[in-house]
Amino acid sequence: KAGVTQTPRYLIKTRGQQVTLSCSPISGHRSVSWYQQTPGQGLQFLFEYFSETQRNKGNFPGRFSGRQFSNSRSEMNVSTLELGDSALYLCASSLGLSYSYNEQFFGPGTRLTVL
Amino acid sequence: GQQLNQSPQSMFIQEGEDVSMNCTSSSIFNTWLWYKQDPGEGPVLLIALYKAGELTSNGRLTAQFGITRKDSFLNISASIPSDVGIYFCAGQYPEYGNKLVFGAGTILRVKS
Repeated sequence: KAGVTQTPRYLIKTRGQQVTLSCSPISGHRSVSWYQQTPGQGLQFLFEYFSETQRNKGNFPGRFSGRQFSNSRSEMNVSTLELGDSALYLCASSLGLSYSYNEQFFGPGTRLTVL
Repeated sequence: GQQLNQSPQSMFIQEGEDVSMNCTSSSIFNTWLWYKQDPGEGPVLLIALYKAGELTSNGRLTAQFGITRKDSFLNISASIPSDVGIYFCAGQYPEYGNKLVFGAGTILRVKS
């Protein structure tokens, strides 16, 4: 079956703009988690959605938000972009909640560059 | 959240050699996971460990969940060129709500 897909794969924005990234999980998976990957901080957990509700959250400012739709697809939004938001944003899907030790499958990521 | 200490940061080894990398933490973990990330791709799960002392193999890869639950190692035997990539340890611990935390990664380069 198809893996996790993320769109777009690459994005260039300028400071102050906002951006929306999209993630389609593996069919049948109900949980979607988002991660930020940077050379300096590595992979860091942003948040997790399950059944259209945010179930877990990392330590990121409120400019980072997300949502999940009834078909389990998820979007992540970053408002008022800063240079430091340049990163690879990874989405991972799992059958159930990740904190219940359900295996997460990662998408290829969206590379965001903020100029 | 917890920072995992992963070492070494990078390795440049001869094809056919065995490789070892490890991760340590200051907290007790419930799970230890090992991922590999190739350029332009997301991480792919190699091995998942759920019990202290557990030793699990996946082909040429072997990983162990440390008895203290604060460390894990990954061994790759007889490395081949396609082993090149970044290897991440990751784990979950209760005080952080079992959110997945990652090590900084080990960059593996193989000399053919």
